[in-house]
Amino acid sequence: DVKVTQSSRYLVKRTGEKVFLECVQDMDHENMFWYRQDPGLGLRLIYFSYDVKMKEKGDIPEGYSVSREKKERFSLILESASTNQTSMYLCASSRGQGDTGELFFGEGSRLTVL
Amino acid sequence: GQNIDQPTEMTATEGAIVQINCTYQTSGFNGLFWYQQHAGEAPTFLSYNVLDGLEEKGRFSSFLSRSKGYSYLLLKELQMKDSASYLCAVLDSNYQLIWGAGTKLIIKP
Repeated sequence: DVKVTQSSRYLVKRTGEKVFLECVQDMDHENMFWYRQDPGLGLRLIYFSYDVKMKEKGDIPEGYSVSREKKERFSLILESASTNQTSMYLCASSRGQGDTGELFFGEGSRLTVL
Repeated sequence: GQNIDQPTEMTATEGAIVQINCTYQTSGFNGLFWYQQHAGEAPTFLSYNVLDGLEEKGRFSSFLSRSKGYSYLLLKELQMKDSASYLCAVLDSNYQLIWGAGTKLIIKP
């Protein structure tokens, strides 16, 4: 069975703290994505990666960075968390070029920044 | 700008049929996707349409009209477990997914 695993389901952090959200997929997928999901808004793409060591900015990259040192792992980093980054963060993967629409999602990480 | 519109919430009765509409305006089109997301869970893929017409998959069907920028998801013989949010997404000319805000479907006995 296809699986995307996110390290933490729920996190509570303080303003200014550094936050790491980890995502691992076991499907040998090329593409990995980080989204945030907020009520009343569609999923918004933060960063994505089509290959190891490669990263591309999505629609809302400000305040975030990512790391992809291994094919199966894609990390999202909030260097200095702010209250407006309180959200549900979803990691997703897909097979490869031309197959970016069928995404496999992790369970999500709900981050609260106080 | 790019835009995907779908109703915020719909209510239907167990055993009935419901149609969830999605209209889109995007820069280019490389396919339309529907995902299902139960509360507190990850979205899961339901369907993909790239050509006009109806795609049927069991109790779920998805329709696309590219000329009208319109799609719908049809759910038949509704079950309580179909209570979820349904997300419409379009793959644009850059092969990026543009997402609607989702339609929360409430099923009543």
